[in-house]
Amino acid sequence: GQQLNQSPQSMFIQEGEDVSMNCTSSSIFNTWLWYKQDPGEGPVLLIALYKAGELTSNGRLTAQFGITRKDSFLNISASIPSDVGIYFCAGRGGGNSGNTPLVFGKGTRLSVIA
Amino acid sequence: KAGVTQTPRYLIKTRGQQVTLSCSPISGHRSVSWYQQTPGQGLQFLFEYFSETQRNKGNFPGRFSGRQFSNSRSEMNVSTLELGDSALYLCASSLLGPVGANVLTFGAGSRLTVL
Repeated sequence: GQQLNQSPQSMFIQEGEDVSMNCTSSSIFNTWLWYKQDPGEGPVLLIALYKAGELTSNGRLTAQFGITRKDSFLNISASIPSDVGIYFCAGRGGGNSGNTPLVFGKGTRLSVIA
Repeated sequence: KAGVTQTPRYLIKTRGQQVTLSCSPISGHRSVSWYQQTPGQGLQFLFEYFSETQRNKGNFPGRFSGRQFSNSRSEMNVSTLELGDSALYLCASSLLGPVGANVLTFGAGSRLTVL
Protein backbone atom coordinates (compact mmCIF):
# COMPACT_ATOMS: atom_id res chain seq x y z
CA GLY A 1 0.00 0.00 0.00
CA GLN A 2 0.94 3.66 -0.09
CA GLN A 3 3.46 4.82 2.47
CA LEU A 4 4.55 8.25 3.61
CA ASN A 5 7.98 9.00 4.97
CA GLN A 6 7.93 12.04 7.20
CA SER A 7 11.04 13.70 8.55
CA PRO A 8 12.41 14.62 10.90
CA GLN A 9 10.81 12.47 13.59
CA SER A 10 11.42 15.13 16.21
CA MET A 11 12.85 18.61 16.49
CA PHE A 12 14.02 20.79 19.36
CA ILE A 13 14.26 24.44 18.42
CA GLN A 14 14.63 27.81 20.06
CA GLU A 15 11.69 30.16 20.11
CA GLY A 16 11.87 32.47 17.11
CA GLU A 17 13.59 29.97 14.85
CA ASP A 18 12.13 28.72 11.58
CA VAL A 19 11.09 25.08 11.19
CA SER A 20 10.98 22.87 8.15
CA MET A 21 9.63 19.35 7.82
CA ASN A 22 8.80 17.23 4.81
CA CYS A 23 7.01 14.19 3.56
CA THR A 24 7.72 11.88 0.65
CA SER A 25 5.63 9.12 -0.81
CA SER A 26 6.34 6.06 -2.87
CA SER A 27 3.55 6.94 -5.27
CA ILE A 28 1.81 9.95 -6.75
CA PHE A 29 -0.69 11.84 -4.61
CA ASN A 30 -3.37 14.26 -5.75
CA THR A 31 -3.92 15.79 -2.34
CA TRP A 32 -1.55 16.73 0.47
CA LEU A 33 -2.77 17.82 3.88
CA TRP A 34 -0.91 18.97 6.96
CA TYR A 35 -2.36 18.46 10.44
CA LYS A 36 -1.26 19.37 13.95
CA GLN A 37 -2.11 17.35 17.04
CA ASP A 38 -1.97 18.71 20.57
CA PRO A 39 -1.83 16.35 23.58
CA GLY A 40 -5.18 14.75 24.31
CA GLU A 41 -6.77 16.04 21.13
CA GLY A 42 -7.37 14.86 17.61
CA PRO A 43 -5.39 16.24 14.66
CA VAL A 44 -6.47 19.65 13.39
CA LEU A 45 -6.11 20.63 9.74
CA LEU A 46 -3.53 23.33 9.06
CA ILE A 47 -3.19 23.47 5.28
CA ALA A 48 -4.67 21.59 2.31
CA LEU A 49 -2.93 21.36 -1.08
CA TYR A 50 -4.58 20.12 -4.27
CA LYS A 51 -2.29 21.01 -7.19
CA ALA A 52 1.29 20.12 -8.00
CA GLY A 53 3.50 23.13 -7.33
CA GLU A 54 0.88 24.81 -5.17
CA LEU A 55 2.29 26.98 -2.38
CA THR A 56 -0.16 27.90 0.38
CA SER A 57 0.22 29.92 3.56
CA ASN A 58 -1.75 30.03 6.76
CA GLY A 59 -0.29 32.72 8.99
CA ARG A 60 3.26 31.71 9.86
CA LEU A 61 2.80 28.35 8.17
CA THR A 62 3.64 27.67 4.54
CA ALA A 63 3.25 24.37 2.73
CA GLN A 64 4.02 23.26 -0.80
CA PHE A 65 2.80 20.42 -3.01
CA GLY A 66 5.86 19.06 -4.77
CA ILE A 67 6.11 19.19 -8.55
CA THR A 68 6.66 15.44 -8.76
CA ARG A 69 3.45 14.94 -6.70
CA LYS A 70 5.43 12.64 -4.45
CA ASP A 71 6.42 15.11 -1.77
CA SER A 72 5.34 18.06 0.32
CA PHE A 73 6.94 20.30 2.89
CA LEU A 74 5.73 22.47 5.74
CA ASN A 75 7.58 25.51 7.04
CA ILE A 76 6.85 27.37 10.24
CA SER A 77 8.41 30.79 10.59
CA ALA A 78 9.36 32.50 13.85
CA SER A 79 8.24 29.63 16.07
CA ILE A 80 6.43 30.33 19.33
CA PRO A 81 5.75 28.04 22.33
CA SER A 82 2.23 27.18 21.18
CA ASP A 83 3.68 25.60 18.04
CA VAL A 84 4.62 22.63 20.22
CA GLY A 85 2.86 19.46 19.11
CA ILE A 86 2.97 16.69 16.57
CA TYR A 87 2.68 17.60 12.91
CA PHE A 88 1.35 15.05 10.44
CA CYS A 89 1.37 15.02 6.69
CA ALA A 90 -1.40 13.14 4.94
CA GLY A 91 -2.02 12.32 1.33
CA ARG A 92 -4.49 10.73 -0.98
CA GLY A 93 -3.54 8.85 -4.14
CA GLY A 94 -4.06 10.28 -7.58
CA GLY A 95 -5.29 8.99 -10.93
CA ASN A 96 -8.23 6.65 -10.68
CA SER A 97 -7.66 6.11 -6.98
CA GLY A 98 -9.64 9.14 -5.89
CA ASN A 99 -11.59 6.80 -3.69
CA THR A 100 -8.58 5.80 -1.62
CA PRO A 101 -8.36 6.77 2.05
CA LEU A 102 -5.99 9.37 3.45
CA VAL A 103 -2.59 7.97 4.37
CA PHE A 104 -0.68 9.61 7.21
CA GLY A 105 2.98 10.06 7.94
CA LYS A 106 4.24 9.06 11.38
CA GLY A 107 4.53 12.65 12.50
CA THR A 108 7.14 15.21 13.47
CA ARG A 109 7.23 16.03 17.17
CA LEU A 110 8.13 19.70 17.63
CA SER A 111 9.47 21.08 20.89
CA VAL A 112 10.09 24.79 21.31
CA ILE A 113 12.54 26.05 23.91
CA ALA A 114 11.68 29.51 25.17
CA LYS B 1 -21.43 24.20 14.87
CA ALA B 2 -20.57 21.18 16.99
CA GLY B 3 -17.46 19.26 16.05
CA VAL B 4 -16.94 15.53 15.78
CA THR B 5 -17.96 13.89 19.05
CA GLN B 6 -16.50 10.60 20.19
CA THR B 7 -17.62 8.56 23.17
CA PRO B 8 -16.36 7.33 25.48
CA ARG B 9 -13.17 9.39 25.76
CA TYR B 10 -11.40 6.84 27.93
CA LEU B 11 -12.02 3.20 28.68
CA ILE B 12 -10.22 0.25 30.17
CA LYS B 13 -10.93 -3.30 29.13
CA THR B 14 -9.34 -6.68 29.71
CA ARG B 15 -8.10 -9.14 27.15
CA GLY B 16 -10.86 -11.12 25.50
CA GLN B 17 -13.55 -8.51 26.06
CA GLN B 18 -15.16 -6.52 23.31
CA VAL B 19 -15.64 -2.78 22.97
CA THR B 20 -17.90 -0.43 21.01
CA LEU B 21 -16.87 3.13 20.24
CA SER B 22 -19.23 5.79 19.00
CA CYS B 23 -18.77 8.77 16.70
CA SER B 24 -21.14 11.60 15.85
CA PRO B 25 -19.95 13.53 12.81
CA ILE B 26 -20.33 17.21 12.14
CA SER B 27 -23.90 17.98 11.14
CA GLY B 28 -24.24 17.56 7.37
CA HIS B 29 -21.12 15.43 7.02
CA ARG B 30 -21.95 12.07 5.49
CA SER B 31 -18.50 10.49 5.34
CA VAL B 32 -16.94 9.02 8.48
CA SER B 33 -13.47 7.50 8.77
CA TRP B 34 -11.81 5.67 11.65
CA TYR B 35 -8.10 5.56 12.44
CA GLN B 36 -6.05 3.78 15.08
CA GLN B 37 -3.21 5.84 16.53
CA THR B 38 -0.31 4.23 18.39
CA PRO B 39 3.10 5.72 19.26
CA GLY B 40 4.97 3.32 17.05
CA GLN B 41 2.71 3.18 14.00
CA GLY B 42 1.13 6.61 13.82
CA LEU B 43 -2.34 6.84 12.33
CA GLN B 44 -3.45 3.65 10.67
CA PHE B 45 -6.62 3.62 8.58
CA LEU B 46 -9.40 1.31 9.78
CA PHE B 47 -12.52 2.03 7.72
CA GLU B 48 -14.40 4.70 5.83
CA TYR B 49 -18.18 4.93 5.58
CA PHE B 50 -20.44 6.98 3.36
CA SER B 51 -24.23 6.80 3.40
CA GLU B 52 -24.20 3.66 5.55
CA THR B 53 -21.86 1.84 3.14
CA GLN B 54 -18.28 0.89 3.84
CA ARG B 55 -16.23 2.48 1.07
CA ASN B 56 -12.77 1.46 2.16
CA LYS B 57 -11.25 -0.88 4.70
CA GLY B 58 -7.74 -0.89 6.10
CA ASN B 59 -5.50 -3.84 6.78
CA PHE B 60 -6.87 -4.88 10.16
CA PRO B 61 -8.15 -8.28 11.28
CA GLY B 62 -11.83 -9.16 11.21
CA ARG B 63 -12.07 -8.46 14.94
CA PHE B 64 -12.37 -4.82 13.93
CA SER B 65 -15.73 -3.90 12.47
CA GLY B 66 -17.81 -0.83 12.01
CA ARG B 67 -21.08 0.51 10.75
CA GLN B 68 -22.80 3.75 9.93
CA PHE B 69 -26.39 4.65 10.67
CA SER B 70 -28.86 6.62 8.59
CA ASN B 71 -28.13 9.77 10.61
CA SER B 72 -24.42 9.38 9.67
CA ARG B 73 -23.41 8.44 13.21
CA SER B 74 -20.91 5.61 13.25
CA GLU B 75 -19.75 2.92 15.60
CA MET B 76 -16.77 0.66 15.58
CA ASN B 77 -16.43 -2.59 17.47
CA VAL B 78 -13.39 -4.57 18.47
CA SER B 79 -14.00 -8.11 19.64
CA THR B 80 -11.70 -10.44 21.57
CA LEU B 81 -9.46 -7.60 22.66
CA GLU B 82 -5.70 -8.06 22.68
CA LEU B 83 -3.07 -6.05 24.52
CA GLY B 84 -1.91 -4.61 21.20
CA ASP B 85 -5.31 -3.04 20.64
CA SER B 86 -4.48 -0.40 23.22
CA ALA B 87 -4.51 2.83 21.25
CA LEU B 88 -6.23 6.11 20.57
CA TYR B 89 -9.10 5.53 18.16
CA LEU B 90 -9.86 8.58 16.09
CA CYS B 91 -13.00 9.27 14.13
CA ALA B 92 -13.10 11.89 11.40
CA SER B 93 -15.91 13.24 9.27
CA SER B 94 -15.97 14.92 5.91
CA LEU B 95 -18.45 17.00 3.96
CA LEU B 96 -17.65 15.73 0.48
CA GLY B 97 -19.33 12.88 -1.34
CA PRO B 98 -18.29 9.43 -2.46
CA VAL B 99 -15.15 10.44 -4.34
CA GLY B 100 -12.48 12.70 -2.98
CA ALA B 101 -13.48 13.11 0.66
CA ASN B 102 -10.19 14.80 1.24
CA VAL B 103 -10.39 17.06 4.24
CA LEU B 104 -11.09 15.19 7.44
CA THR B 105 -12.17 16.85 10.66
CA PHE B 106 -11.18 14.72 13.63
CA GLY B 107 -12.75 14.13 16.99
CA ALA B 108 -10.69 14.07 20.18
CA GLY B 109 -10.54 10.29 20.12
CA SER B 110 -11.36 7.37 22.39
CA ARG B 111 -8.37 6.11 24.33
CA LEU B 112 -8.62 2.37 24.87
CA THR B 113 -6.40 0.57 27.32
CA VAL B 114 -6.43 -3.23 27.29
CA LEU B 115 -5.10 -4.94 30.42
